[in-house]
Amino acid sequence: DTGVSQDPRHKITKRGQNVTFRCDPISEHNRLYWYRQTLGQGPEFLTYFQNEAQLEKSRLLSDRFSAERPKGSFSTLEIQRTEQGDSAMYLCASSKPPGTSAIQYFGAGTRLSVL
Amino acid sequence: ELKVEQNPLFLSMQEGKNYTIYCNYSTTSDRLYWYRQDPGKSLESLFVLLSNGAVKQEGRLMASLDTKARLSTLHITAAVHDLSATYFCAGRGSEKLVFGKGTKLTVNP
Repeated sequence: DTGVSQDPRHKITKRGQNVTFRCDPISEHNRLYWYRQTLGQGPEFLTYFQNEAQLEKSRLLSDRFSAERPKGSFSTLEIQRTEQGDSAMYLCASSKPPGTSAIQYFGAGTRLSVL
Repeated sequence: ELKVEQNPLFLSMQEGKNYTIYCNYSTTSDRLYWYRQDPGKSLESLFVLLSNGAVKQEGRLMASLDTKARLSTLHITAAVHDLSATYFCAGRGSEKLVFGKGTKLTVNP
């Protein structure tokens, strides 16, 4: 499977715990995005990387959230001191550089439940 | 700031019927995307519309873009049960996608 891969698929945690999600993009894609989707809503942008550089962060991304893409390949999204409001599906997407149609291809997501 | 609105949010239709989903966006977007999402699954890219008047078709789905009206439509022809899913449109604001709330389509036999 050469699509976007996310791990884990499901995560249940207690309020106050830290969690980390991983995303492996499609290999030739240099752009990587994180989105959050809650029930009945469309995905909301969190942040994106071009190679290893984090170029934009949404104001939705509080200081409890941090994302990295250390070698320009896989990325991690960490949430510290989780709150019940963090419960959502976290989606990762990747795309080729601009100048093309720049379709973002999405992974299957990590569903986070904070108890 | 780009905002995207879809309507209807829920659509129940019979097999064999035609219908249109509408997507309005608030400011200039250089491209418009349509995605499909099945329950518990991720988003699947359907169409990318790049210019005014663009029309793309795949099977029973046809998407169009009117940049002057800031409107895109997704037309469903002779619906079949397999088309049941949630359909999202998204505009591009800087480098990120801004999604509508989605249209949940149910096709009944």
